[in-house]
Amino acid sequence: AQSVTQLGSHVSVSEGALVLLRCNYSSSVPPYLFWYVQYPNQGLQLLLKYTTGATLVKGINGFEAEFKKSETSFHLTKPSAHMSDAAEYFCAVSQSGTGRRALTFGSGTRLQVQP
Amino acid sequence: NAGVTQTPKFQVLKTGQSMTLQCAQDMNHNSMYWYRQDPGMGLRLIYYSASEGTTDKGEVPNGYNVSRLNKREFSLRLESAAPSQTSVYFCAISEWFTSGNSYNEQFFGPGTRLTVL
Repeated sequence: AQSVTQLGSHVSVSEGALVLLRCNYSSSVPPYLFWYVQYPNQGLQLLLKYTTGATLVKGINGFEAEFKKSETSFHLTKPSAHMSDAAEYFCAVSQSGTGRRALTFGSGTRLQVQP
Repeated sequence: NAGVTQTPKFQVLKTGQSMTLQCAQDMNHNSMYWYRQDPGMGLRLIYYSASEGTTDKGEVPNGYNVSRLNKREFSLRLESAAPSQTSVYFCAISEWFTSGNSYNEQFFGPGTRLTVL
């Protein structure tokens, strides 16, 4: 079984401040991890993914995330928030191997950016 | 190249009515999925189709049926709508195994907002 926990349903930062969105997962096999972003009234767009190899992954719009196996975490960061980053962010996990074929999503974190 | 398209974009139903949500893709991916999104619950898998000709239940299949019409199209049917099915429905696609990538990166459609009164 796999699950995802996103700490904080709402996060508010000032423009130019560090963005940190937390994601912890549980998985019985090596996971593949994703961050998706959803702008209002739109579908989900992939920000970045971790599959294998380098544990620090860079995505679009200046976001990055680090896979920490010992902490079972995959937190999303951005050094300097921009107003256009206001959106809902979802962490998701997929299992390697021939098992589950779908993503398990966290409950989401809504990011608000204050001017 | 539209990627994943969903119709309709919005729908209001009365309790007991039926309807079919349509999803089509032009990316030639094998796997297709239906999720529902509810506030504070993320996305939950309703049904999926790993490849043409196969369908499987997900986490919340009750009250829904699906049809994988061909490789491009995957429909979701509500036979007798209930207020608990008020939600935003997303279709997603992925390429699974065929190119050696088994991590299941998914691409999403724009969603259908359904209200059941």
